[in-house]
Parts: sequence; structure tokens; C-alpha cells
Amino acid sequence: GQNIDQPTEMTATEGAIVQINCTYQTSGFNGLFWYQQHAGEAPTFLSYNVLDGLEEKGRFSSFLSRSKGYSYLLLKELQMKDSASYLCAVLDSNYQLIWGAGTKLIIKP
Amino acid sequence: DAMVIQNPRYQVTQFGKPVTLSCSQTLNHNVMYWYQQKSSQAPKLLFHYYDKDFNNEADTPDNFQSRRPNTSFCFLDIRSPGLGDAAMYLCATSTAGLAGANEQFFGPGTRLTVL
Repeated sequence: GQNIDQPTEMTATEGAIVQINCTYQTSGFNGLFWYQQHAGEAPTFLSYNVLDGLEEKGRFSSFLSRSKGYSYLLLKELQMKDSASYLCAVLDSNYQLIWGAGTKLIIKP
Repeated sequence: DAMVIQNPRYQVTQFGKPVTLSCSQTLNHNVMYWYQQKSSQAPKLLFHYYDKDFNNEADTPDNFQSRRPNTSFCFLDIRSPGLGDAAMYLCATSTAGLAGANEQFFGPGTRLTVL
């Protein structure tokens, strides 16, 4: 079966750095997405990785290792508004998105 | 601005009373998706349309149906809502094909309450 694993919840301090991990087992791979979802709102796109390595976009970076079936989202200089759920999703061989359950990130002052 | 619009944002219905949720898009994307998302869970794909081709997920209950009369609009019909159907319903679009990132653009969602 297809599976996306990510931690259920993480806590970090304002101004700090946090890394949210995602491991996946899917039938085929056509890229990995990270989405941010604030409570009661729709997911919004953060990043897309299809090749191994690190993609940096401002305070957010995303890393992919296809051989390990592993990705992480790195958030720097955390702000209170970063409190949200972060969803990892993999595009499988049928170009369908397989979603993780999300990691709820709690930022403390 | 090009966008995905869902109406209404909040819908309350009674147990067993049919309800229709709507989605429209100005992005001219050829693929539209309906997801159901319950609290602290991953979005669950119910259906998707690739142009006019309808794709039903194997585990989507018969109680859920969808219509896409044209490129811009898509509807989700719940024929006899049960208490377990209370959830956020998300509409998304993409320009899916055999290449490209296939990023999905989401509407704001409709939160359905069943009384």
C-alpha cells in the first residue's frame, strides 16, 4: 500500500528553527509537495521537489532524498503566524496526490 | 486574480436532506478535484475530473456524486447526508498532464455540519 508518515505534532519557539520530516512509500514518484494549512482553512502550496537536494525559498527550505523515500521541510526564524499544519504529499505514478495526515506545528513565544 | 471559489463557506443541513456544494475556477485548469477532510486528517480524494472524464475513487460512498457542466464549474452532491459526512470539503484544480509539477490550487473549502 501507499503510505506517507510525518509526526503528528511538534512544538518550537518563536525565532528558532524547526525541521518537519516526511517519509513515503508510494507506487511511483513524480514529485513531493509541502502544503501549509491553517486551522479551518484550505491548504496552500509551499514547495515542490522532484530531484534530490535542497530547495530554498525565503525562510522555508525543502529537502528530498528519493533513494531514502525521505523529505523534510525546514522553517527558519519562526514566527507566530507559522503555527499551522504542514502536509506532505507525494505525486504517484498515476499523477495522484497521496497525502500525509499533516504535522501540527505549535509556536511558543 | 485567478482563483478557486467555493460556495457556501459554511453549510448546515439536516440528517438525510440532500445538499449541493459548488466550486468555480477562473484558472482555466483542466483538472478539478473534490476532497473530504476531517479534523487532523489528510484530505481524502472523493472524485476528480480530467476535462470531462470523471474519475471516482474506489472507496467513495455512493451517497456522493459530482457534476462538471463546464470547465469552470464543479458540484458535489450529497444525496442523504449522515452525521459522519460532517467535514470540510475542499475543491482543487490543476493543469495535470504527463509532465509538470501538477501543483493543486485549493479553494477556501466548505465546512459542512449535519444536524
